[in-house]
Amino acid sequence: EAGVAQSPRYKIIEKRQSVAFWCNPISGHATLYWYQQILGQGPKLLIQFQNNGVVDDSQLPKDRFSAERLKGVDSTLKIQPAKLEDSAVYLCASSETGTLSYEQYFGPGTRLTVT
Amino acid sequence: AQKVTQAQTEISVVEKEDVTLDCVYETRDTTYYLFWYKQPPSGELVFLIRRNSFDEQNEISGRYSWNFQKSTSSFNFTITASQVVDSAVYFCALRHTGGFKTIFGAGTRLFVKA
Repeated sequence: EAGVAQSPRYKIIEKRQSVAFWCNPISGHATLYWYQQILGQGPKLLIQFQNNGVVDDSQLPKDRFSAERLKGVDSTLKIQPAKLEDSAVYLCASSETGTLSYEQYFGPGTRLTVT
Repeated sequence: AQKVTQAQTEISVVEKEDVTLDCVYETRDTTYYLFWYKQPPSGELVFLIRRNSFDEQNEISGRYSWNFQKSTSSFNFTITASQVVDSAVYFCALRHTGGFKTIFGAGTRLFVKA
């Protein structure tokens, strides 16, 4: 079974530029998550989708971050404009459902460096 | 407030030593799940175990074992006879009923030296 795919793996941009990340979840997984992991910290949930609807985006900085999951499969996360503090690894995860018990499967992440 | 605390930032052991990673959590929910994930240098978080709040039975899987104690709100993870391949960052996480959000601790970096 193919895992969660993410691209690109690495990205370096200057502040105020824009960037987009792509995620393809495990086939059949209804729930998709985007996490931000700053160096030395645990992952922090940015947004959670159930199919193509948003379940939780309470920690997404909506003035600069946006995410979509068209057709309930792939998802993109965009940052515009980027700030220095956005330097982090952006992890995508998926699970069969959004219910309490299901474990999340994580992709390899995209390491973003903002200079 | 929901919170997960992993007080040990880094642990260094010599191969074949046993090591315990501590996890303390806070939640007002009576129903919740606790998880442990491993993050090797490749960066991908790997699921290790899930435990629900009503099941305090300890679990053993090979060299790994977990001790869940609701009375002290702890969910500790022990690796027996550690190996170099165990070197990674380990995260404890809590998933609670409100919004099903998963909250991660800051992680414990484990170094196992040959």
